[in-house]
Amino acid sequence: GIQVEQSPPDLILQEGANSTLRCNFSDSVNNLQWFHQNPWGQLINLFYIPSGTKQNGRLSATTVATERYSLLYISSSQTTDSGVYFCRALQGAQKLVFGQGTRLTINP
Amino acid sequence: DGGITQSPKYLFRKEGQNVTLSCEQNLNHDAMYWYRQDPGQGLRLIYYSQIVNDFQKGDIAEGYSVSREKKESFPLTVTSAQKNPTAFYLCASSNRDHNQPQHFGDGTRLSIL
Repeated sequence: GIQVEQSPPDLILQEGANSTLRCNFSDSVNNLQWFHQNPWGQLINLFYIPSGTKQNGRLSATTVATERYSLLYISSSQTTDSGVYFCRALQGAQKLVFGQGTRLTINP
Repeated sequence: DGGITQSPKYLFRKEGQNVTLSCEQNLNHDAMYWYRQDPGQGLRLIYYSQIVNDFQKGDIAEGYSVSREKKESFPLTVTSAQKNPTAFYLCASSNRDHNQPQHFGDGTRLSIL
């Protein structure tokens, strides 16, 4: 089955820094979604991005489906950006797979 | 406000006991999902349902059961056959099928007494 790998596994930054999180997938996917899990466990939708680029405030995402990766950019990080970022891929019509996540810590 | 409600927030299970986690959505979504998350890990799919009275096993269905008698409700029962039930359980829904954005509830933390 499809493998979804996220990197880096952990990232520690100072407030105000920019970051790039990566999601690689081993096979073609029909869609890709990025989530932020806050310290209380809540999963928040960030982007639904099968291909192309989307932006929402300080966050943006790019998926290059032909090269089997997606990137999540966070600019001017804030402490509230801390948490775990997951990507989730859909292979075919039925196979949903989450990556292991990137744990982001933003220090004041 | 539309959303997904999971209850309870915390649940404790005794050995040999079945427990049921509730998931209700008022988003009018067709598809609903249950995931399990272990500490420091990603989410793994337990069961999903794309239509009332029908559901499919995910990657780790053993020791779990579900029902989908109503569109808005998708309860998960953790049976005594699940030998390691301690985990964070997340319910999600999406409009129509897997190829749509998923929205999540706030989760239930299950622990063994």
